[in-house]
Amino acid sequence: EAQVTQNPRYLITVTGKKLTVTCSQNMNHEYMSWYRQDPGLGLRQIYYSMNVEVTDKGDVPEGYKVSRKEKRNFPLILESPSPNQTSLYFCASSLVLTAPGYNEQFFGPGTRLTVL
Amino acid sequence: DAKTTQPPSMDCAEGRAANLPCNHSTISGNEYVYWYRQIHSQGPQYIIHGLKNNETNEMASLIITEDRKSSTLILPHATLRDTAVYYCIVRAPGEGYALNFGKGTSLLVTP
Repeated sequence: EAQVTQNPRYLITVTGKKLTVTCSQNMNHEYMSWYRQDPGLGLRQIYYSMNVEVTDKGDVPEGYKVSRKEKRNFPLILESPSPNQTSLYFCASSLVLTAPGYNEQFFGPGTRLTVL
Repeated sequence: DAKTTQPPSMDCAEGRAANLPCNHSTISGNEYVYWYRQIHSQGPQYIIHGLKNNETNEMASLIITEDRKSSTLILPHATLRDTAVYYCIVRAPGEGYALNFGKGTSLLVTP
């Protein structure tokens, strides 16, 4: 089954304790992205990657890191989490088109993070 | 700046058609209209997209007005499982892959 998986689904941690949220897709997609969703603010993009070893900042990258060493994986790293990073996080992926058009983005099930 | 305007909420009886409007009066010629939905705190799910012609797939139909300033997403026979927030997004090819979801319309399907 084509899917995007995220782990963990729920995480409660404390300020300053480094954590990684994993994201993996089995569709051979070049594009991967992380969003956070907060009440009243909607979904905002954190980082994205157009292919292996190619990453770039989204709208709200502060406090986050990413890496793209393999095509299928795109982990989100919080080196020193703070309470304002408490949020619902989504990973997404899609093909990168070589001609104008559209490919749907597939989203993971979400990771609910609480930083105390 | 928001490119789309949607009503914040709508109700629909189960089995009836749900018609969700979207206003995009400043849409430009090469911008597509996309619809996604998010069932309570799950990952958003793609529904349909179109440029100027009406489109239909197994999930829904998309009706775009001739002047392209508005569109309607139609769920022909709404079920309780269609209760979700529906997002109308306008974007041109080449604008990147980030999706600006906005606030969407919260659709409640009632028995």
